[in-house]
Parts: sequence; structure tokens; C-alpha cells
Amino acid sequence: QVQLVQSGGEVKKPGASVKVSCKASGYSFISYGISWVRQAPGQGLEWMGWISAYNGNTDYAQKLQGRVTMTTDTSTSTAYMELRSLRSDDTAVYYCARFIWSGYSSYYYMDVWGKGTAVTVSS
Amino acid sequence: SYELTQPPSVSVSPGQTARITCSADALSKRYAYWYQQKPGQAPVLLIYKNNERPSGIPERFSGSSSGTTVTLTISGVQAEDEADYYCQSADSSGNVIFGGGTKLTVL
Repeated sequence: QVQLVQSGGEVKKPGASVKVSCKASGYSFISYGISWVRQAPGQGLEWMGWISAYNGNTDYAQKLQGRVTMTTDTSTSTAYMELRSLRSDDTAVYYCARFIWSGYSSYYYMDVWGKGTAVTVSS
Repeated sequence: SYELTQPPSVSVSPGQTARITCSADALSKRYAYWYQQKPGQAPVLLIYKNNERPSGIPERFSGSSSGTTVTLTISGVQAEDEADYYCQSADSSGNVIFGGGTKLTVL
């Protein structure tokens, strides 16, 4: 079955970087994108951006431009999200999700989600 | 970009029908999607392209669209449906937008 397995929780100090992995299985990795969504404690969902596993094209949320990098390794069907210059308000659960899109038909959504990776930023 | 507006909370008795709305002018031209999130769990896709239901999602979940408002309807609400529900769309550049979420309480 389609599955996304994320790396374990992290505790980081302010100013550090974190890199979260998301290993896909059960489908053709390059036929979809991977989106990253985060959720701060007690808050709603915040879209961070997405990457095409086919060609590596990315689209990042404007708020995170310059601090976030999304990559994929097609040899291992794994996606990565790196967030730099961490601040306390980056404390959140970070989810990867399989991304389905068509710019031509204007649909963009996530149909399968990982279980999430908790990232805590604290001095 | 734009915002998706959802009511913060909706309450319903078991067996009744719950309706959760999501509004934005752009929804008259763009697809909407719905996710369910239970405490401590990842979101689950309930509805895509306004009214399509993925395999495995119970038929009591349905979506509809009218003008600038989309609605998630849960018929015959069960205690297990108590959760947060998020609508989602995208802007003209493909940037994903989430609504603020609605907490469904089953009385």
C-alpha cells in the first residue's frame, strides 16, 4: 500500500538547521510530487511548499523562501525538507504528503500523508 | 493569494447531519478539498475536487459547491467523526491554501 515514512523527532537550538526525510513506498515515486505541511502546537495546517519528484522543480511558500530547501533522491524514493535559521516559532509537527497536481486543470492536493515529525526549537 | 474562511466550531448530536462551510470568492473558480484530522494523527483526505470521495472514505462524507462557498456534509454523524476538519484550495500560481479549521464536536 502507499506509505510515507518520516524520520524521527528532532530538538534543535535557535539558529540551527533541521533536515526531515520522507521515504515513499507502494507507488511510482516520480509520478507524483511531495508536499510539506507543518502544524504548530494547537494551530492549523500551514503549507510549506512542494517538489516534483519527476524533475525536482520546487514551489515554496513565500513566507519560507530563503530558509527552506526541498529535495528528492529518486534512487531511494526519499524526499527531504531542510529548514535553516530555526526560530522558536518553527516548533511544529512537519508532515510530508503525496502531492497530486495539474496546472492545466488547476487541481492541487495531497492524498496520502506521513505520520509527521516533531521538531522542537529551544535553547 | 486569498483566505479560506471556516467556522471555528460546529456541534451536532449523533445521527444528525453536520455541515461545515468554507468560503472565499476564489472558490467559484477553484477546486476545494477537505481533510479530517483527529488528535495526534495526520490529516486524511476526505473529499477532492469539490465532491469526489477517495476510496475507503465512508459515503456519509460528501462535498458540494455553490458559488463562493463549499460545504462538507457528514450524514448520520458518529462519535468517531469528532475531529478537526480543514478545507484547502490553491491560488492561480498553485500555492496551496488551508482554511483555519473547524472543530466538530459530537454532543
